[in-house]
Amino acid sequence: QVHLMEAGGGVVQPGGSLRVSCLASGFTFRTNGMHWVRQAPGKGLEWVAVIGYDGGYIRYADSVKGRFTISRDNSKNTVFLQMNSLRAEDTALYYCAKEGDYGDFPSIFDFWGQGTMVTVSS
Amino acid sequence: DIQMTQSPSSLSASVGDRVTITCRASQSIGSYLSWYQQTPGKAPKVLIYASSTLESGVPSRFSGSGSGTDFTLTINGLQPEDFGSYYCHETYTTRLIFGQGTRLDIK
Repeated sequence: QVHLMEAGGGVVQPGGSLRVSCLASGFTFRTNGMHWVRQAPGKGLEWVAVIGYDGGYIRYADSVKGRFTISRDNSKNTVFLQMNSLRAEDTALYYCAKEGDYGDFPSIFDFWGQGTMVTVSS
Repeated sequence: DIQMTQSPSSLSASVGDRVTITCRASQSIGSYLSWYQQTPGKAPKVLIYASSTLESGVPSRFSGSGSGTDFTLTINGLQPEDFGSYYCHETYTTRLIFGQGTRLDIK
């Protein structure tokens, strides 16, 4: 069955960097877009970034554009999120999510990981 | 920029009740609207996509409707496992905005 496992979260100082990763299994990773979605403590969901199946399509939320970089390694079934110039407001649980195959309706997340917590604090 | 507004932000209901949550988009998004459920401590789960299509495996007590700017999620006959938070999500724009969420508590 599909399994997504995030890793790499932790505590980082404001202005610092962190790279989180998501290891996928149970499906043909190279054929699906992958997303990162975050959730600040006690708050709602915020979409962060997407990468297309072959890395040729990438988009970011305005709140992270220019600071975060999404990438993937299809040989290792892994998607990454490099986070630079981190701010307190980036503190959140970061989920990776698999984009499902819904025909004319893209960007629907049919499987999610359990998330990795990123805390930005001095 | 597109905005997604859910109402109510929270509500209390009893097992067996019928519950309706609404989501309004600040611009027309056709039928590009999904609903997610998040129970405490768990990752979100897709319930409805394309405004009204039930995801495989989701109980038929969940239903969605609407198009353009106004959408509704209805739960007929609340069950104990339905309590949690619900989010609408537009997939019409590249911004992929979520509504702010509706917390559904046990009365």
